[in-house]
Amino acid sequence: KNQVEQSPQSLIILEGKNCTLQCNYTVSPFSNLRWYKQDTGRGPVSLTIMTFSENTKSNGRYTATLDADTKQSSLHITASQLSDSASYICVVTSGGYNKLIFGAGTRLAVHP
Amino acid sequence: EAGVAQSPRYKIIEKRQSVAFWCNPISGHATLYWYQQILGQGPKLLIQFQNNGVVDDSQLPKDRFSAERLKGVDSTLKIQPAKLEDSAVYLCASSLLQGGGTDTQYFGPGTRLTVL
Repeated sequence: KNQVEQSPQSLIILEGKNCTLQCNYTVSPFSNLRWYKQDTGRGPVSLTIMTFSENTKSNGRYTATLDADTKQSSLHITASQLSDSASYICVVTSGGYNKLIFGAGTRLAVHP
Repeated sequence: EAGVAQSPRYKIIEKRQSVAFWCNPISGHATLYWYQQILGQGPKLLIQFQNNGVVDDSQLPKDRFSAERLKGVDSTLKIQPAKLEDSAVYLCASSLLQGGGTDTQYFGPGTRLTVL
């Protein structure tokens, strides 16, 4: 069964600190892995997309890694800001029709 | 560039009533998706259109949910009759290409449905 699991479920950090979110998946066939940021009351917004051959991708203070052998990905946030407070969703794309399999997300709260 | 538009933003109905949601994708996007997102969970795909044809509706509860994409552009999602467990945010998304690769999905703001 295709599944995407994220940890932790929720996380609280202080402004300026770094954090790392985890994503494990069992999806076949694998096409690519995406990280989305979803602010409260808004739709998800794409942060990074990585294919099988990529093992790291950065977008500003966000850096995603992918280990296709162990089927794990992480999202590292550097020097967190209050605006980083959101849910971060890991999504794995399977097959040729762009079928997205969503994780439940990690809810991040950045406190001053 | 205008984003994906959805309306209404909020809807409160009683169980067994009917409701309809509307989505206008980004101009030129071939693929349109409807997702259901229950509080605390990731989005779940309900239906995927490619132009005005259905690509995947395997998770659409067809006894009560229906969707159409008029002329391959706008789309409506209908629930009839609604149940309490339908309370969720309904997200519409669109993408330029016809699937596969690193095609980016752009999401609308969603419609929050509360069924009482």
